[in-house]
Amino acid sequence: ETGVTQSPTHLIKTRGQQVTLRCSSQSGHNTVSWYQQALGQGPQFIFQYYREEENGRGNFPPRFSGLQFPNYSSELNVNALELDDSALYLCAARPSGKYNEQFFGPGTRLTVL
Amino acid sequence: GIQVEQSPPDLILQEGANSTLRCNFSDSVNNLQWFHQNPWGQLINLFYIPSGTKQNGRLSATTVATERYSLLYISSSQTTDSGVYFCAVASGSARQLTFGSGTQLTVLP
Repeated sequence: ETGVTQSPTHLIKTRGQQVTLRCSSQSGHNTVSWYQQALGQGPQFIFQYYREEENGRGNFPPRFSGLQFPNYSSELNVNALELDDSALYLCAARPSGKYNEQFFGPGTRLTVL
Repeated sequence: GIQVEQSPPDLILQEGANSTLRCNFSDSVNNLQWFHQNPWGQLINLFYIPSGTKQNGRLSATTVATERYSLLYISSSQTTDSGVYFCAVASGSARQLTFGSGTQLTVLP
C-alpha cells in the first residue's frame, strides 16, 4: 500500500478532447510528480508540484498542465488530445519524511481514439 | 540529462533459479530506486538504494555509486516474480526520476 490513489482507472477519449486525471495522497506527501508511460517503455517525467507550485517539468508541451491542492490531491490536465497521448499515467508522491524516495499510484490508462 | 541503461532487456528463468539484473547510470545520483511493475501497471517499490547493499527476503540490491551501477539479485525465483523490473535514478537538484527501459522477467513453472 503506497498511500497514493488515482482515478479513473481507465479512460477512453477521442482526438481533440480534453481530459483530467486525478491523484490523491496521504497527509504529508507534499511533493507530487506525474509520469507518462507509453506501451513497452519506462515512465517519462511530465512535471512535479511542491506546495501547490510547479517546480520541475519534463519535455512535454504546454497542453499538459497540472494543479496541486492543499489537501494533497493533484490533477493532470491534457488539452487537444492526440493519438500519441495514449499511455499509462502515473502519479508519484514523496513523503516529507523520506527526502528522495517516491511512491507510485496504480495509474490511469488513457486511450485516445 | 542522466542516462540509465538496464540489462538484460529480457530474461526467462525456470522457477527456483537465481538472476541478476543490472542498471548502469551516467552521472552521480542521490536517488536510485528499483521497482517491479505488475501486469496491472502498478509500480511496486523494491529498494531505495542510492548506495550500499540491502536485502529483503529473496531480493537484494547493491549500488556501487562510484562506479555508477546497481545490481538487483533475485534468488529462488517464483512465477509471481514475473513482470518488468525498472531502475530509476535522480541526480543533482532534480528530484524527478529518470527510468531505464526495464528488464522483462518471465519465470516459468
